[in-house]
Amino acid sequence: DQQVKQNSPSLSVQEGRISILNCDYTNSMFDYFLWYKKYPAEGPTFLISISSIKDKNEDGRFTVFLNKSAKHLSLHIVPSQPGDSAVYFCATGANNLFFGTGTRLTVIP
Amino acid sequence: DAGVIQSPRHEVTEMGQEVTLRCKPISGHDYLFWYRQTMMRGLELLIYFNNNVPIDDSGMPEDRFSAKMPNASFSTLKIQPSEPRDSAVYFCASSPGLAGGRNEQFFGPGTRLTVL
Repeated sequence: DQQVKQNSPSLSVQEGRISILNCDYTNSMFDYFLWYKKYPAEGPTFLISISSIKDKNEDGRFTVFLNKSAKHLSLHIVPSQPGDSAVYFCATGANNLFFGTGTRLTVIP
Repeated sequence: DAGVIQSPRHEVTEMGQEVTLRCKPISGHDYLFWYRQTMMRGLELLIYFNNNVPIDDSGMPEDRFSAKMPNASFSTLKIQPSEPRDSAVYFCASSPGLAGGRNEQFFGPGTRLTVL
């Protein structure tokens, strides 16, 4: 059974607008959450993370929000740029990581 | 450091053949992971090693899959015999630790496997 779910397989956004990617998890014991970004023909790379003691973590144009009661996290990209077009995976776990199925973001120039 | 190195980058084989995927982790990383990426299941952890010892292989789908890590700088994932449903991208990753992702995992570029 999937520990991490990304229900939107794809998202298209105009350049300059906000991109919002969503993720749900099942285990309330998980206390650290990550987003990885993957370009075609490359492996995923770490983007941003958040600890469960916070509800928001910001790094430049990227912000991750955590709602522990809903077991939901989201990644906001503002403003979106064409170079942000990639597949985004959320991940969490106690030791090893469980990854979602990914959301393919396309930023339209 | 060159990062995690995987070979081959692409593999096309026929059903029933043996396939061997190779990985060289980042030097000094104690953990090595094998993942499989499919559209339906995303990134699935197949197996991971700590200091060359397999720790959790519960993600290995069947006995047709096996993985070894004979030393700190080399690991293989073998499928014998291969089947069309094994077609996927296989990633190797390494990390200095676990701790639920607090130690970043560094991924290789992946091997795209096609079984005809």
